Amino acid sequence: GNSVTQMEGPVTLSEEAFLTINCTYTATGYPSLFWYVQYPGEGLQLLLKATKADDKGSNKGFEATYRKETTSFHLEKGSVQVSDSAVYFCALFAYSGAGSYQLTFGKGTKLSVIP
Amino acid sequence: DTAVSQTPKYLVTQMGNDKSIKCEQNLGHDTMYWYKQDSKKFLKIMFSYNNKELIINETVPNRFSPKSPDKAHLNLHINSLELGDSAVYFCASRGLGHEQFFGPGTRLTVL
Repeated sequence: GNSVTQMEGPVTLSEEAFLTINCTYTATGYPSLFWYVQYPGEGLQLLLKATKADDKGSNKGFEATYRKETTSFHLEKGSVQVSDSAVYFCALFAYSGAGSYQLTFGKGTKLSVIP
Repeated sequence: DTAVSQTPKYLVTQMGNDKSIKCEQNLGHDTMYWYKQDSKKFLKIMFSYNNKELIINETVPNRFSPKSPDKAHLNLHINSLELGDSAVYFCASRGLGHEQFFGPGTRLTVL
């Protein structure tokens, strides 16, 4: 079946530090890949996406590149801010069997940025 | 305008009660979902409706029943609530681009 593995947190960084959150996946066919962010007490928001190999998704200074050869979609940001503190979810959308498509999430990585 | 809305935001109830959570989307999407997020933030899909037809039911107890009166609404009814049902429940809808838009969540606490 489809699965997403992302690095376990929590991750604590100082403001302006470089961020990497690793994500690898296993999927049937050619999935679309996503990063979602969940701020405290809120729902999930789409952060960025990529739909085919070598695509780079970017938003709010975050970037991730769809790497088919390594089945990875690592999230990066050059300089984090306190306001980036949240839980980050890697996800894929792919065929899941029985004629249906499904979004499969990783377990989430909690990021805390300290001033 | 809120794209995906849920009510209530918080729900506190006793074991054995029956409760409902409502979800509405104004995005014109055909597919809607219910997810359960546990205390460790793990998200698990519960149901999916495509234009009022159930297309996924991920081994959820039959105490949980989704109801979709029209494609803009997907409500979740829960019978005989148990302690283990305490979680945050998220509604979402999906457009043609595969990305899903999530509601703000309903925090259910069963005492």
